Amino acid sequence: QVRLKESGPRLVQPSQTLSVTCTVSGFSVTSYHVSWVRQPPGKGLEWVGAIWKGGSTDYNSALKSRLSISRDTSKNQVFLKMNSLQTDDTGTYYCAKHHGTYYYVMDAWGQGASVTVSS
Amino acid sequence: DIQMTQSPSFLSASVGDRVTLSCKASQNINKYLAWYQQKLGEAPKLLIYNANSLQTGIPSRFSGSGSGTDFTLTISSLQPEDVATYFCLQHNSWWTFGGGTKLELK
Repeated sequence: QVRLKESGPRLVQPSQTLSVTCTVSGFSVTSYHVSWVRQPPGKGLEWVGAIWKGGSTDYNSALKSRLSISRDTSKNQVFLKMNSLQTDDTGTYYCAKHHGTYYYVMDAWGQGASVTVSS
Repeated sequence: DIQMTQSPSFLSASVGDRVTLSCKASQNINKYLAWYQQKLGEAPKLLIYNANSLQTGIPSRFSGSGSGTDFTLTISSLQPEDVATYFCLQHNSWWTFGGGTKLELK
């Protein structure tokens, strides 16, 4: 059964770095692409970035300068790091697996990690 | 960037009703649209991809249609468990989500 679970701090200070981990089971991160998506409270969803099954990455151009996505294939984990956090980075951060055939479709999501940026 | 606009933002309907949700793209996205259902506190669930392909395990009362810029998600007979927020996602050029439609029972 495919599962994704996000974990990370619930509270981060402004200007600090956010680190969120996506631990997956039921599939290998070397066989499927994984994206990060975030949702500010009461607002819509925003694609943050992706790590492709080959290990390369792509980022939302608006966030690219602050982002890093990496993985540990031995632990089947994907990592999101975002620096220089501001209050409008508050929200729920989701990881999502991409479809094996239609790679542009996100077909399974985690329940999300809620992050508040505040002093 | 491609913008996605969903309407209505909020919809109230009765059990058994035929419900239609709309999603419009700011430019041609061919058939590259997905629909998701998100219940409170749960992970989003893929319903439809490529505009009209039903994801495995999703009830057949859900269907999608459209191409280009105008897309529709239809629930043929609304069930109580369908109360959720529905959002569309274009995957023609990177990924952009619609703002969502919150569906409740009347």
